[in-house]
Amino acid sequence: GDSVTQMEGPVTLSEEAFLTINCTYTATGYPSLFWYVQYPGEGLQLLLKATKADDKGSNKGFEATYRKETTSFHLEKGSVQVSDSAVYFCALSDQGYSTLTFGKGTMLLVSP
Amino acid sequence: DAEITQSPRHKITETGRQVTLACHQTWNHNNMFWYRQDLGHGLRLIHYSYGVQDTNKGEVSDGYSVSRSNTEDLPLTLESAASSQTSVYFCASSGRTGESYNEQFFGPGTRLTVL
Repeated sequence: GDSVTQMEGPVTLSEEAFLTINCTYTATGYPSLFWYVQYPGEGLQLLLKATKADDKGSNKGFEATYRKETTSFHLEKGSVQVSDSAVYFCALSDQGYSTLTFGKGTMLLVSP
Repeated sequence: DAEITQSPRHKITETGRQVTLACHQTWNHNNMFWYRQDLGHGLRLIHYSYGVQDTNKGEVSDGYSVSRSNTEDLPLTLESAASSQTSVYFCASSGRTGESYNEQFFGPGTRLTVL
């Protein structure tokens, strides 16, 4: 079955540091890939997505590139802010299906 | 603005009681989903629906049921609450005509404690 593996957290960074959160996936078809973010006490919000190989999703300074050859969708940001502190979830949806398979989430803590 | 709401936001109940968590969306989405979030497990799919009168079991459906009588609502029922069902529950929806059918919009969550 489908699965998503994310790096374990928490990831602790200082403000303005570079961020990478690794995500790899296993899927039978050609999935769409997503990053969701969850701020404390809230539900999940879509951060970015990519629907085919080599697509780059981007939003709010975050980027991720769909790499079919390495089955990866790593999240990056060049300069994190304290307000980026949250839990980040990588997810996939197999082609033609609406259900999502989530990774376990990675907590990011950014200090001033 | 369209939104998805959940109620109650917090609930404490006792083992063996029946509990219903409400989910209401005004996006006019076809698809609705229920997840539970637990530390170390991420989000796991409980049940989902692709439209009125349609329901499907997810990864962790035992002890839960749903029914879809209209487009806007998908209530989640715990038939006989167990301590293992203490969790945070999220409802989500997707699929308005013309939009990506895979992009899900989440409610704020319900924190359920079973004593």
